[in-house]
Amino acid sequence: EVQLVESGGGLVKPGGSLRLSCTASGFTFSSYSMNWVRQAPGRGLEWVSSISGSGRYTYYGNSVKGRFTISRDNARNSLFLQLNGLRAEDTALYYCARNDGDFVFEDFDYWGQGALVTVSS
Amino acid sequence: SYDLTQPLSVSVALGQTARITCGGNDIGNKNVHWYQQEPGQAPVLVIYRDTNRPSGIPERFSASNSGNTAILTISRALAGDEADYYCQVWDSGTAGWVFGGGTKLTVL
Repeated sequence: EVQLVESGGGLVKPGGSLRLSCTASGFTFSSYSMNWVRQAPGRGLEWVSSISGSGRYTYYGNSVKGRFTISRDNARNSLFLQLNGLRAEDTALYYCARNDGDFVFEDFDYWGQGALVTVSS
Repeated sequence: SYDLTQPLSVSVALGQTARITCGGNDIGNKNVHWYQQEPGQAPVLVIYRDTNRPSGIPERFSASNSGNTAILTISRALAGDEADYYCQVWDSGTAGWVFGGGTKLTVL
C-alpha cells in the first residue's frame, strides 16, 4: 500500500526557516517524481515544487522560487522541502504528492495528509 | 502565466447530473487532471489525462476536454459527492503545474 507521511511542520516567525519531510513507503521511491502542494486556510490548492525521480531536475512555483528548496534521499525513501525566508502568506497545509511515473508532468496519484506550517510573530 | 478558471460553486439536485467547467487558453491541447477534496481530507485523483478514471473511482465520474474548456461530469449525484473539485494542467511554457481555483459542489 502506498503511503506518504509528512512531518516537520510547526509555528515559525517571519523570516525563519523550516524543513519538511515526507516519508514514502509501498513503492519504489526512486522511480517516481514527487511534489509539494500547499493549501492556505480556506483557500485552494497551490503547486509549490516538483522533483524528478533521480533528483536531477527540480521545478518551483513563482511564489517560492529562491526561498524554498526541494530535495530527496532515495536511499531513505524521503522527500524534503527546505523553507527559508518564511512570510505570513506561506502559512498553509503542505501536502506531499506522488507523480504517476518518473515524469514530473504526470498526474498526482497519491497524496499525504499534510503538514501544517504557520508563520506568525 | 497560464490560468485555469473554474466556477466558485455548482449545485445539483440529488440523482441529477453535475458539470464542472475548467477554462484555459487552448486547454484542449493539454492533459487535464481532476481532483476531489472532501472537507478536512487530502485531495483524491478522480480523472487523469482528460478522460481516464483511476481504479476505485465510480463510472459516474467522467470528463471531456476540447477547445478552451474541460468539463468534469458527475452523473446520478450522491450526497457523498459534495466536495471541492480542482482541475490541473502542466504548463510547459513555465515548466510548472497550474491548479484551477476550485469548485464547491453542493448536492441539494
